[in-house]
Amino acid sequence: GDSVTQMEGPVTLSEEAFLTINCTYTATGYPSLFWYVQYPGEGLQLLLKATKADDKGSNKGFEATYRKETTSFHLEKGSVQVSDSAVYFCALTWEYGNKLVFGAGTILRVKS
Amino acid sequence: EAQVTQNPRYLITVTGKKLTVTCSQNMNHEYMSWYRQDPGLGLRQIYYSMNVEVTDKGDVPEGYKVSRKEKRNFPLILESPSPNQTSLYFCASSLGPSSYEQYFGPGTRLTVT
Repeated sequence: GDSVTQMEGPVTLSEEAFLTINCTYTATGYPSLFWYVQYPGEGLQLLLKATKADDKGSNKGFEATYRKETTSFHLEKGSVQVSDSAVYFCALTWEYGNKLVFGAGTILRVKS
Repeated sequence: EAQVTQNPRYLITVTGKKLTVTCSQNMNHEYMSWYRQDPGLGLRQIYYSMNVEVTDKGDVPEGYKVSRKEKRNFPLILESPSPNQTSLYFCASSLGPSSYEQYFGPGTRLTVT
């Protein structure tokens, strides 16, 4: 079945460090890909998305590129802040799908 | 303010005692879903609803019921909770299918002893 695999965490970085969180997927066809973020004590919120190959999603300094050839959607940010500490979920779905398929989530901790 | 609300936020109960977790959204969204979040597994869909009176099973529906009598409300019912239903539950709503941005509630932490 369709699935999403994320790098295990937690990832601990110092402020202003470069961030990469790896995400790969297994799916038939060409799904849409998402990154959702969950701040402590809150629900998930959409961070960015990409709907077709080579699309780049970006928001709040975060970026991810839909790579069909490697079935990947890695999340990157050039300079993390303490306020970026959260759990990051990679997910996929289809144009008329009824659910999101989530990865296990990656905890990010940023130290000042 | 556009939001999805859930109640209660925290609940400790005993095996077999029926409970309901409420979910309400004020965005006039057609789609609503329930997910459970477990460590190492991410979020898994329990049930979803495409509109009033239209509901269907997600990936892990066993032991749960839902209803959609009004557009804004989508309660999750556990008729006879068991310890394996101890989890963090999220309600979500959206304008359309899951390719649309999902708006999540703050979560309900349920413990079944």
